[in-house]
Amino acid sequence: AQSVTQLDSQVPVFEEAPVELRCNYSSSVSVYLFWYVQYPNQGLQLLLKYLSGSTLVESINGFEAEFNKSQTSFHLRKPSVHISDTAEYFCAVRVTGFQKLVFGTGTRLLVSP
Amino acid sequence: GAVVSQHPSRVICKSGTSVKIECRSLDFQATTMFWYRQFPKKSLMLMATSNEGSKATYEQGVEKDKFLINHASLTLSTLTVTSAHPEDSSFYICSASRSEETQYFGPGTRLLVL
Repeated sequence: AQSVTQLDSQVPVFEEAPVELRCNYSSSVSVYLFWYVQYPNQGLQLLLKYLSGSTLVESINGFEAEFNKSQTSFHLRKPSVHISDTAEYFCAVRVTGFQKLVFGTGTRLLVSP
Repeated sequence: GAVVSQHPSRVICKSGTSVKIECRSLDFQATTMFWYRQFPKKSLMLMATSNEGSKATYEQGVEKDKFLINHASLTLSTLTVTSAHPEDSSFYICSASRSEETQYFGPGTRLLVL
């Protein structure tokens, strides 16, 4: 079975500071990896995904994540955060060939002025 | 592209009544739709997976007679919470997939059972 661990339930950071949200996964088979963002009282929006190829993937709003197979990690980073980045971030994995997503417990990013 | 809608966005009902939530893929045909439940400050729990024209596959511990899922077309799936009770109050989110790669999520439906 697959599992996803997001150790940080909440990450407070000041505006324009860098941030890293950690995600580790466990799987005995190859997986696809995803980061979703959820704003208050809304559904989830896909932020970025790793399916294959380059291990560094980027989103259109400045986030990036790097797939590290040896460390089974897919940490999310942004060099300079904005107030509007305040949201809940979920890491998820999916076994290749299957459709079920397994989510982590989420990390709340709190950006203050 | 890849927009998924849910209706209603919020519903309040009396205990013992049934509530239907719709999930629609607006600009693509979804071969598979998923229903999740999200508890406050918790992750999403997959309830069931439905493929168009076939019975839904429920996750362990989810009562199929309590949470009826219908996937009548490639753009519509419905979740009916039957005989709702206060413990069914939650945020229900659907997602739709047109391929193996990505699930697109709806905005969610907040259910409050009084």
